[in-house]
Amino acid sequence: DAGITQSPRHKVTETGTPVTLRCHQTENHRYMYWYRQDPGHGLRLIHYSYGVKDTDKGEVSDGYSVSRSKTEDFLLTLESATSSQTSVYFCAILREGGYGYTFGSGTRLTVV
Amino acid sequence: AQSVTQPDIHITVSEGASLELRCNYSYGATPYLFWYVQSPGQGLQLLLKYFSGDTLVQGIKGFEAEFKRSQSSFNLRKPSVHWSDAAEYFCAVGAGNSGGYQKVTFGTGTKLQVIP
Repeated sequence: DAGITQSPRHKVTETGTPVTLRCHQTENHRYMYWYRQDPGHGLRLIHYSYGVKDTDKGEVSDGYSVSRSKTEDFLLTLESATSSQTSVYFCAILREGGYGYTFGSGTRLTVV
Repeated sequence: AQSVTQPDIHITVSEGASLELRCNYSYGATPYLFWYVQSPGQGLQLLLKYFSGDTLVQGIKGFEAEFKRSQSSFNLRKPSVHWSDAAEYFCAVGAGNSGGYQKVTFGTGTKLQVIP
């Protein structure tokens, strides 16, 4: 939707393995975000980016890292997945001028 | 730091009845305010937003919201609910900082069930 895609859509991985989720946009927006969604918690910000190689932590960044080497791609990496990281992960882009976020369709990650 | 409270976790309404979903925010300055809707298995879709000006804002799908600064509220309303409105609704508050970007904080959501 609106030029933002997430991959994969679903993933099952084992505890302790590294996992990378990809967010790709086609509209050249500066700001990109990774959120996780869990029942009873709404959406919580993991990391965000305000330009190529410019990233910062959100409220639940422990156990996650990000990279943005190109404007269009924002990668989220779980260095060593844990069961507490089982969640639905959403990427978002910010439409500047105060238009709010546009979200990707999400990645459902299960860590077993 | 900003925060958002949605006091109702779950609401059930009859089809055709009116709806009001509550949202209270905390932020020191004039906030950006949003309502998003999420259907099962989908991402979030923007319903409406408030930045400034008229405190009653109209959105998509027949929704509206009213910003009340004195009550720190931004409640979502719809005069007549349709079965297709069953979804989860998230209120969000956005704020800028010295870097100029906008960081958005979401409420925990309200699940709307619509009964015939």
